[in-house]
Amino acid sequence: DARVTQTPRHKVTEMGQEVTMRCQPILGHNTVFWYRQTMMQGLELLAYFRNRAPLDDSGMPKDRFSAEMPDATLATLKIQPSEPRDSAVYFCASGRMGPNGEQFFGPGTRLTVL
Amino acid sequence: LAKTTQPISMDSYEGQEVNITCSHNNIATNDYITWYQQFPSQGPRFIIQGYKTKVTNEVASLFIPADRKSSTLSLPRVSLSDTAVYYCLVGDMDSSASKIIFGSGTRLSIRP
Repeated sequence: DARVTQTPRHKVTEMGQEVTMRCQPILGHNTVFWYRQTMMQGLELLAYFRNRAPLDDSGMPKDRFSAEMPDATLATLKIQPSEPRDSAVYFCASGRMGPNGEQFFGPGTRLTVL
Repeated sequence: LAKTTQPISMDSYEGQEVNITCSHNNIATNDYITWYQQFPSQGPRFIIQGYKTKVTNEVASLFIPADRKSSTLSLPRVSLSDTAVYYCLVGDMDSSASKIIFGSGTRLSIRP
């Protein structure tokens, strides 16, 4: 039963620290998405990749966030420096098609920035 | 990008059929309609997708009228485990410029 995995599942850090979240997409999926979910804003798309190339990161604050896919088995989302307003659950999802094809979500990383 | 409108919340009872309607008046010719389900502390899970008429799978049916300006997710004989948030999404299957908007979703509560 193939699944998207994310690490860490929980992260508590202090303002100003760097945070790196990792995602392993399902083998064979060529599209990877990063989302952020908060009570106030709901589920927001931050960035997505196809065949490891970034296609759209318009939802991501460019000054502090960065997303990469060093290889087909790893996607990373980095926040530097982190701020309390970044506290949220960050989901990674993968799929075989474009943004509106079926996406398989990971369990999420719950980030708390103090 | 087609905007969607769904009820904020719905209540029902075990064993009932639940229908959640989503409005998408500005749907484009190439847009598909997709529904996701999200349980607390989990990521959303794909339920069903369609383009027109009716689609049925093992968990739900999706009804899309001819004008495609709305769609209805139908959950037959719900149980307590169907309590979740349901999201309706509309978009082009292969648009690199497409921005996915999950919206607020519909919070479905099932009672015994």
